[in-house]
Amino acid sequence: NAGVTQTPKFQVLKTGQSMTLQCAQDMNHEYMSWYRQDPGMGLRLIHYSVGAGITDQGEVPNGYNVSRSTTEDFPLRLLSAAPSQTSVYFCASSYGGGRGDGYTFGSGTRLTVV
Amino acid sequence: DQQVKQNSPSLSVQEGRISILNCDYTNSMFDYFLWYKKYPAEGPTFLISISSIKDKNEDGRFTVFLNKSAKHLSLHIVPSQPGDSAVYFCAAHFQGAQKLVFGQGTRLTINP
Repeated sequence: NAGVTQTPKFQVLKTGQSMTLQCAQDMNHEYMSWYRQDPGMGLRLIHYSVGAGITDQGEVPNGYNVSRSTTEDFPLRLLSAAPSQTSVYFCASSYGGGRGDGYTFGSGTRLTVV
Repeated sequence: DQQVKQNSPSLSVQEGRISILNCDYTNSMFDYFLWYKKYPAEGPTFLISISSIKDKNEDGRFTVFLNKSAKHLSLHIVPSQPGDSAVYFCAAHFQGAQKLVFGQGTRLTINP
């Protein structure tokens, strides 16, 4: 049982490049989300999905795009990378029990934009 | 605007003593409050939670206290152990929505 798998673990991009951060879960969780972690800012919600075909914006969605075509996968796309998007990105999934304690996080993708 | 705040970026405690981590929030619509623990190069993992209708929840060495009138919660770890050294995030769950709002985190260091 792999849980939540994020790839790649590390990535360096040049300003203006695009890329996709991959997230996959094998727990049949309905709810998936993307967070970014920055020093002094904690974890901030970028986008989330409550099921296949349904996505919504979080606190800091600008510059990111998501889609949810299957229950298992929730990729995060950077359309045109900027240095402000240098961060550690975490994907999480949950059974959606409505209490917040069922979140399983991936191990993160450390992204540097130069 | 930060709805969940952890005002202490770091805390250092002697092994065997009590560790107290604090968290403040502003939104009365939160229905659950949680603490997540994070080690370097790993994702956060759930530690303990408390419903907004409770004032205390205990799980082994970990106890969370909630003061709704002050919009304040705290995590007590007794006794503190070296393996407790990590970053602790306070989080709050929005009633009726699948959203968690996190604080900035507190880095706890347990000294032998």
